[in-house]
Amino acid sequence: GESVGLHLPTLSVQEGDNSIINCAYSNSASDYFIWYKQESGKGPQFIIDIRSNMDKRQGQRVTVLLNKTVKHLSLQIAATQPGDSAVYFCAEITGSARQLTFGSGTQLTVLP
Amino acid sequence: IAGITQAPTSQILAAGRRMTLRCTQDMRHNAMYWYRQDLGLGLRLIHYSNTAGTTGKGEVPDGYSVSRANTDDFPLTLASAVPSQTSVYFCASSPGLRGGYNEQFFGPGTRLTVL
Repeated sequence: GESVGLHLPTLSVQEGDNSIINCAYSNSASDYFIWYKQESGKGPQFIIDIRSNMDKRQGQRVTVLLNKTVKHLSLQIAATQPGDSAVYFCAEITGSARQLTFGSGTQLTVLP
Repeated sequence: IAGITQAPTSQILAAGRRMTLRCTQDMRHNAMYWYRQDLGLGLRLIHYSNTAGTTGKGEVPDGYSVSRANTDDFPLTLASAVPSQTSVYFCASSPGLRGGYNEQFFGPGTRLTVL
């Protein structure tokens, strides 16, 4: 079946550098995409979302890019901080039930 | 109570036993959800409830049941636990459509081990 998945399971970056986390999706009918951050021992937290009719959306230190041609989603974190260390999930919204389908996650580790 | 609470925080359970995971929210959200998260994987939807008195099946409902007697509570029951139900369980709630989808707020999770 169609699904959301991630290119890289782990990513290590130096503190202060920019991070880019990627996600591939295959369901062309999805109309919203969401990035969640999950810290160890906690539930996922909403970071940013993007509607399928957009190709870029910016938040505080984060930018989400959507390329519908290649069905690719990315999360860019500027000036990565130790508190950004977490697992990041992309998720999609599809269908009339408006349910979330999650990808498998990328572990981001920020090095001092 | 502020937000979503789940109980217990963790539990070790013998196979074949019955177990109810509790979830309570004080935000008066209409919709509630139960997910399981297995090691290295994303969350998968077990059951959901769009409003008090209604429930629906998610992606992986087998072996689980839910009820929604009121707005605040959404318990998840394992009638006869099996080792494959070892997982971390997250409850979530949503106020409803926001910009075209249901924004979900997650609880802290319950770590369940079935031996």
